[in-house]
Amino acid sequence: QSALTQPASVSGSPGQSITISCAGTSSDVGGYKYVSWHQHHPGKAPKLIIYDVSDRPSGVSNRFSGSKSGNTASLTISGLQAEDEADYYCSSYTSTSTLVFGGGTKLTVL
Amino acid sequence: QVRLVESGGGVVQPGRSLRLSCAASGFTFNNYAMHWVRQAPGKGLEWVAVISSDGSNKYYSDSVKGRFTISRDSSKNTLYLQMNSLRADDTAAYLCAREIYPGGKAVGDYWGQGTLVTVSS
Repeated sequence: QSALTQPASVSGSPGQSITISCAGTSSDVGGYKYVSWHQHHPGKAPKLIIYDVSDRPSGVSNRFSGSKSGNTASLTISGLQAEDEADYYCSSYTSTSTLVFGGGTKLTVL
Repeated sequence: QVRLVESGGGVVQPGRSLRLSCAASGFTFNNYAMHWVRQAPGKGLEWVAVISSDGSNKYYSDSVKGRFTISRDSSKNTLYLQMNSLRADDTAAYLCAREIYPGGKAVGDYWGQGTLVTVSS
């Protein structure tokens, strides 16, 4: 159960687009459609922004999109806004019926 | 509205035990699998355990397997985490969370506020 691999940090200017990668294996990310992304502002509950690789919960901005290629999933945020500054975590279902999170990515809006 | 409220955290010595609770309301508890997730100070989210909607299936992370037990009481709409043989690296805020949708294989959008467990002599 190794954590999924995310970059520790990414940054972008308002209005720009950024992409956060989430690398796993064929036993987790590559093997299932159950990849999700959470946005976490410290001190608050994590917020689900993408589930099942690319679906958005109702109420989540369409500036957030998800995709997957092979063993790597990606979260793209377009039209960056100041309030997007947060920690982002991917997670995946695994072949042992467990879940695994990525290490988290700190997004800085410059 | 959906509400999850954890309790039971505190300071405990290494090797001792603690039981966390998570009171659920605002949804049909018996329809959803429930998860425990933890976050150590200054660290990221770490998945801990899941229990199926009917309580028949339970899965754990390697880091807690054999020491922690997840359970649920449908009559009380409450989720539990029995933590034995606690270690310093179990120090974290423990959060309960509902699965995204029945059978959804992921943590969803409803989380508790967390209860802090500190393992220290």
